[in-house]
Amino acid sequence: GESVGLHLPTLSVQEGDNSIINCAYSNSASDYFIWYKQESGKGPQFIIDIRSNMDKRQGQRVTVLLNKTVKHLSLQIAATQPGDSAVYFCAEITRSNTGKLIFGQGTTLQVKP
Amino acid sequence: KAGVTQTPRYLIKTRGQQVTLSCSPISGHRSVSWYQQTPGQGLQFLFEYFSETQRNKGNFPGRFSGRQFSNSRSEMNVSTLELGDSALYLCASSSLGAGETQYFGPGTRLLVL
Repeated sequence: GESVGLHLPTLSVQEGDNSIINCAYSNSASDYFIWYKQESGKGPQFIIDIRSNMDKRQGQRVTVLLNKTVKHLSLQIAATQPGDSAVYFCAEITRSNTGKLIFGQGTTLQVKP
Repeated sequence: KAGVTQTPRYLIKTRGQQVTLSCSPISGHRSVSWYQQTPGQGLQFLFEYFSETQRNKGNFPGRFSGRQFSNSRSEMNVSTLELGDSALYLCASSSLGAGETQYFGPGTRLLVL
């Protein structure tokens, strides 16, 4: 089915290191991209978003980079903490395809103390 | 503001039965989208409702249906349950549903025996 791809199913990092989670998308018409974090037993939680007319957006400890030339999206987490351990999903949406997020398969981030 | 709420949180049904799940969006949000999450298929879009109208639909059989009420609360129904319908059902709300962030509820875990 439709999907936004993620490069690695699992990423293991040491506490305090920076984490980079990657995502490749296929629809060049996508307007908007979102990163979600999902902890066990919970629904996806919004982390950060970026519109297609931007290259970079920063939040608290997180940065999203968008490279439209190669249709690539990444999420950088600075000073990764044990509480960051979760599954991370990228999602895309096009304005014309109302209400429909297309999700990648997810990357599991494991933070080692 | 209160977040998206879903009821019930857990359900156990047997094959052939039907089930109704409920979702209350964030106050002021008029768009509600539903997703099915399984380990094999990931997060798959079911449908989206806005102002009591279904605006978008994913690739699921007609056994999956939904509706939205005038207060934006939404329900989804699955008839003639199959074992493969076992999944986490998530609803998400947004203001307008067009190229913007969706906020997710905790989900309803459905087990079909």
